[in-house]
Amino acid sequence: GAGVSQSPSNKVTEKGKDVELRCDPISGHTALYWYRQSLGQGLEFLIYFQGNSAPDKSGLPSDRFSAERTGGSVSTLTIQRTQQEDSAVYLCASSLWTGLNPYGYTFGSGTRLTVV
Amino acid sequence: KQEVTQIPAALSVPEGENLVLNCSFTDSAIYNLQWFRQDPGKGLTSLLLIQSSQREQTSGRLNASLDKSSGRSTLYIAASQPGDSATYLCAPETGANNLFFGTGTRLTVIP
Repeated sequence: GAGVSQSPSNKVTEKGKDVELRCDPISGHTALYWYRQSLGQGLEFLIYFQGNSAPDKSGLPSDRFSAERTGGSVSTLTIQRTQQEDSAVYLCASSLWTGLNPYGYTFGSGTRLTVV
Repeated sequence: KQEVTQIPAALSVPEGENLVLNCSFTDSAIYNLQWFRQDPGKGLTSLLLIQSSQREQTSGRLNASLDKSSGRSTLYIAASQPGDSATYLCAPETGANNLFFGTGTRLTVIP
């Protein structure tokens, strides 16, 4: 697609339920990133996928969070047993990283998650 | 670890003014630096990307400069408009998955 697409744009869920957030990156972009932004805070890195390499999961805040990227394209971020502190905007970005000539990041419009 | 500072944290100006947003970073070994705009509760929109070998980039009323050796970048906005009101984020990149964000400058342009 022309840009990074995220769905849903808004999600309200009850505490304790599982949620899945989807990211469809720009076609051909090898790198995909998930960030989250809590109200009034900066961006917090969650996870990074690059091609077929093992993902960098160093930013995931707990084992309730997981993500996968199927076929090197679409990614799903799953949050199990949601807590109120998980409420945030979850942002996905993709880039064409070549190692020597990096290009900029393109962000999706985010998923606003509210846990009630 | 890269530390990114943006000054001022907030700025309020009357419509039509020219303004400068400042960004400083501690690790000058960057590949590029990107300026983003973020509207409240929304994602990030890329404004300008400056490669490490470049000194500046221009897009419309926006001009971004980069002084890699001193760890500084500025975003110049000419003839500001109320639609420019947003938070502006500076993000230097030092390698794969090494994009560091500043805390942003919240700009309000008063009609």
